[in-house]
Amino acid sequence: AQSVTQLGSHVSVSEGALVLLRCNYSSSVPPYLFWYVQYPNQGLQLLLKYTSAATLVKGINGFEAEFKKSETSFHLTKPSAHMSDAAEYFCAVSDANSGYSTLTFGKGTMLLVSP
Amino acid sequence: KAGVTQTPRYLIKTRGQQVTLSCSPISGHRSVSWYQQTPGQGLQFLFEYFSETQRNKGNFPGRFSGRQFSNSRSEMNVSTLELGDSALYLCASSPSRTGVEQYFGPGTRLTVT
Repeated sequence: AQSVTQLGSHVSVSEGALVLLRCNYSSSVPPYLFWYVQYPNQGLQLLLKYTSAATLVKGINGFEAEFKKSETSFHLTKPSAHMSDAAEYFCAVSDANSGYSTLTFGKGTMLLVSP
Repeated sequence: KAGVTQTPRYLIKTRGQQVTLSCSPISGHRSVSWYQQTPGQGLQFLFEYFSETQRNKGNFPGRFSGRQFSNSRSEMNVSTLELGDSALYLCASSPSRTGVEQYFGPGTRLTVT
C-alpha cells in the first residue's frame, strides 16, 4: 500500500527566507505526486503535480518540487517566503495499484511565516 | 470556469440522524471523489465515481454511501450518524479519465451532537 510521510508538523520561517517542506512516499509502482495547500476554513488548492514527465516541477505562487526516485522524495521549496504563504501544506500520492483517483495524503505541515 | 461547489457549507445534526451532502464538479469533469478530513485521522479517501459508477472505495463502513448523476453531480449520504462522523467532507473533481489531478471544493463542515 502507498503511504506519505511529511517531516515536521510545523515549520517556521521568516519572510524572505527559503521554504522547504519535506515529503517522502512509499509506492511499489511509479507514483503520481501532488502538493496541495489549505487555508483556514477552505478546501485544498492544487499547487503542483508530478505525473512522470519532468522531475523538477514548477507550480503556482513560486513553488516548485523535485521528484527523486532514489530517495523516494518530493520536497516542496520556495526561494522567498511571503506572509501570504502561511497555511497548511499536504503532500499526496496515487498510483495504478491503488487507483489513480485514490489520493493518499500525508498528515500535513503547517507553515508559519513571521515578519 | 466555476470551481467545485459543495452544499451546504455547514451542517449540524444529531446522533442517529442521516445526512446528504451535495457536490457539483467543474464543468466537463466526470470523475468525482469524496474525502473526510478530521484532526485525528487527517484526510481519508471515501469513494470515487466516474460516469455514474463507483470506481474506487476507501475503508469506511457501509453507513457511508454515495451516488453520481448523469450530469456528474454527486451526493454522499451518511446514515445513523455518530459523534465521530464530525468532520470536513471534501469533494474533488478531475478532468482526467483516470481521476488523477483532482480539484477540490470548499468542503461541508458536519458537526454531529
